[in-house]
Amino acid sequence: QKEVEQNSGPLSVPEGAIASLNCTYSDRGSQSFFWYRQYSGKSPELIMSIYSNGDKEDGRFTAQLNKASQYVSLLIRDSQPSDSATYLCAAAYTGKLIFGQGTTLQVKP
Amino acid sequence: GAVVSQHPSRVICKSGTSVKIECRSLDFQATTMFWYRQFPKQSLMLMATSNEGSKATYEQGVEKDKFLINHASLTLSTLTVTSAHPEDSSFYICSAREGGAVSNQPQHFGDGTRLSIL
Repeated sequence: QKEVEQNSGPLSVPEGAIASLNCTYSDRGSQSFFWYRQYSGKSPELIMSIYSNGDKEDGRFTAQLNKASQYVSLLIRDSQPSDSATYLCAAAYTGKLIFGQGTTLQVKP
Repeated sequence: GAVVSQHPSRVICKSGTSVKIECRSLDFQATTMFWYRQFPKQSLMLMATSNEGSKATYEQGVEKDKFLINHASLTLSTLTVTSAHPEDSSFYICSAREGGAVSNQPQHFGDGTRLSIL
């Protein structure tokens, strides 16, 4: 059973702080990893893709991948109330995405 | 880039009605599209993979005669929920991806269709 696991939260951070979201995956065959943001009642929106070990930065977002530990993370710097949403971690395997349950982030003004 | 359009956004209809949902990739060609269903406070559940020019591949437990998928072109896939019943009420979301069957490109999602069967 291929699984992606996330802490469902909610993760609460004050405005301006760094939010750290974590994800583990079970299948070492997964090579591509994605973070999606989903606002309540809306569809997922791609935030970051990461394919190799290390860090990848895009604006306030940094994705980190450690294939040896089967661990993916997303850091959000200078968190804003508009970042409050559910963040879905996904691992690609044989062309499909396996999603985690999502972590709910609450950024308090 | 990578825009996926899905409509209708909301459908309310009587039990027994068939409902058709369209998913279009607007600025790229999508050999493969996906259909998901999401219940409140749950993650996305993959229903089927839609392949252009061939039959869809359904996930275990998804009735192919209930959920008809057609992928007639590189930019359009349709999902028809046949003889819908209240238990089919859910949020249906499509996604599309560039590249072939096992591409590692990200999936881009449509805005979803909220289906309510009375």
